[in-house]
Amino acid sequence: QKEVEQNSGPLSVPEGAIASLNCTYSDRGSQSFFWYRQYSGKSPELIMFIYSNGDKEDGRFTAQLNKASQYVSLLIRDSQPSDSATYLCAVLDRGSNYKLTFGKGTLLTVNP
Amino acid sequence: ETGVTQTPRHLVMGMTNKKSLKCEQHLGHNAMYWYKQSAKKPLELMFVYSLEERVENNSVPSRFSPECPNSSHLFLHLHTLQPEDSALYLCASSPRGSITSGRDTQYFGPGTRLTVL
Repeated sequence: QKEVEQNSGPLSVPEGAIASLNCTYSDRGSQSFFWYRQYSGKSPELIMFIYSNGDKEDGRFTAQLNKASQYVSLLIRDSQPSDSATYLCAVLDRGSNYKLTFGKGTLLTVNP
Repeated sequence: ETGVTQTPRHLVMGMTNKKSLKCEQHLGHNAMYWYKQSAKKPLELMFVYSLEERVENNSVPSRFSPECPNSSHLFLHLHTLQPEDSALYLCASSPRGSITSGRDTQYFGPGTRLTVL
């Protein structure tokens, strides 16, 4: 059974701080990893995609992947109250082009 | 409304009712998906259609029946549901039936909040 684990939170950070969201996955053969943001009462939207070990930066967001440790993280620099949402980690199933296994998500609250 | 639309947004039904959820995408995509999001549980893939052909049925009970008449429309027919089927049902689409590249991302609709009494 493939599993994707995230701390449910809530993770609370002050405005302007760095928020660090973590995710571990069970299938060592997984190759592609996604971070989605879901505001309360809204649908998920993709914010980061990573498949190579190391860091990938996009604006205030940095995704970090360590396949040896089966660990993927999302850093949000200069956190804003508008970043308050649930962040979902998703892993593309090995051998599939479209099947994602999601974590339960981490609720992030950025306090003004 | 552009992108991916879903109707109805809210639905309350009894266990003996038959209802359908509708999804429409205005993005010219070739693949469509049904997901279930229950409280305290991960988002769960139910069905995938690529070019109107079902390519995934993720062990979903037969009381859920999908239909994809064309690449822009997707339905989920519901009958004799159970209270534990109460959840947010999300439709998504992607340009192709492959999301191995971040460019081929899935776009989600707003969801239908289903309550089964």
